[in-house]
Amino acid sequence: EAGVVQSPRYKIIEKKQPVAFWCNPISGHNTLYWYLQNLGQGPELLIRYENEEAVDDSQLPKDRFSAERLKGVDSTLKIQPAELGDSAVYLCASSYSSGEFTGELFFGEGSRLTVL
Amino acid sequence: QKEVEQNSGPLSVPEGAIASLNCTYSDRGSQSFFWYRQYSGKSPELIMSIYSNGDKEDGRFTAQLNKASQYVSLLIRDSQPSDSATYLCAVITGGGADGLTFGKGTHLIIQP
Repeated sequence: EAGVVQSPRYKIIEKKQPVAFWCNPISGHNTLYWYLQNLGQGPELLIRYENEEAVDDSQLPKDRFSAERLKGVDSTLKIQPAELGDSAVYLCASSYSSGEFTGELFFGEGSRLTVL
Repeated sequence: QKEVEQNSGPLSVPEGAIASLNCTYSDRGSQSFFWYRQYSGKSPELIMSIYSNGDKEDGRFTAQLNKASQYVSLLIRDSQPSDSATYLCAVITGGGADGLTFGKGTHLIIQP
């Protein structure tokens, strides 16, 4: 079974440029998460989707970040414009939930963003 | 704000010894607790979950939970160099409404 797939793995951009990250979750997983991880820190949730619906986006900086999960499968996270402080690893994770949140997440390899 | 606290380390343990990793959490209503392992440059992977007070054993790993003290620990017996990684404690907070909250992680080094 294929795991969570993310692309690109690495991205280097100039500040103020836009960037987008793509995630394909494990087949059948209805919940998708985007986390941000800074060096030496634990993952911090940006947004959580249950199927197509964003059920928790309270930590997403909505002035520059946006996300979508069309058709309840793949998801895209966009930053426009990027700032120096956005340099981090962006992790996508997925899980299956039949109602109660389980906490058992499967992570992709991450997308490492460097903003110059 | 719901918090999960871990000592960032590094924690250095000789090969073959027991590694003990600790975690405290602030949300007294939390019921579900997890340990994720993250190798350098890799993504986190779930290694243990625990839901009831007491111990839960899986191979060389034992998770311990004390809800009264709001304390979770992970013991690794017969530590191997391949256990060298960052161990992230994670807690379901807000009754699940807040999702999974991670600690900063403890960097474990197993010395051959």
